Amino acid sequence: DSGVTQTPKHLITATGQRVTLRCSPRSGDLSVYWYQQSLDQGLQFLIQYYNGEERAKGNILERFSAQQFPDLHSELNLSSLELGDSALYFCASSKETGWTYEQYFGPGTRLTVT
Amino acid sequence: AQTVTQSQPEMSVQEAETVTLSCTYDTSENNYYLFWYKQPPSRQMILVIRQEAYKQQNATENRFSVNFQKAAKSFSLKISDSQLGDTAMYFCAFRETGNQFYFGTGTSLTVIP
Repeated sequence: DSGVTQTPKHLITATGQRVTLRCSPRSGDLSVYWYQQSLDQGLQFLIQYYNGEERAKGNILERFSAQQFPDLHSELNLSSLELGDSALYFCASSKETGWTYEQYFGPGTRLTVT
Repeated sequence: AQTVTQSQPEMSVQEAETVTLSCTYDTSENNYYLFWYKQPPSRQMILVIRQEAYKQQNATENRFSVNFQKAAKSFSLKISDSQLGDTAMYFCAFRETGNQFYFGTGTSLTVIP
């Protein structure tokens, strides 16, 4: 158990809909990362937040957005869903202090778009 | 652009034997970090080992060790005394000081009893 929690575990929804994925980082971690893992594209970095502010952006679509709240939990919002958005979405956290740069991953949310 | 390449999509090894997974990366940075993550069938991502680029000594964690060749931009993972529980997808990852993480496409390792 990494200490990172993600809800829900599974999500099934229809095309065109909007969903919100939630992540709680490990205690003491200020930084949250979101990743998408699909069968054909491997693990893709989407976005990072540090202490409430966006720090780095990867291959995140405009239909997707994220935020980190004052209590440091984060939400990833996916809208106008398409079949190709079906994937495993991981959240990870890290301390972002000193030289401790490893990320600890949550169990993931499996999104199925039908 | 930073990229990470894992040229071995699949590998297998006999139980108790040693296997090496390869990873190369491309960067213009001098300071960065390299990681190996393991993803078992449960799909959980687990950190196996990490290496700071400024350290010449290769990192070791029990049966896992790396061969870090900075000039060649190579970062291979050696698993000694392979165990059935090592069966998983292994991802090499690179992180530069700008905070973005880059992952390779993974190597699926099967340990054969």
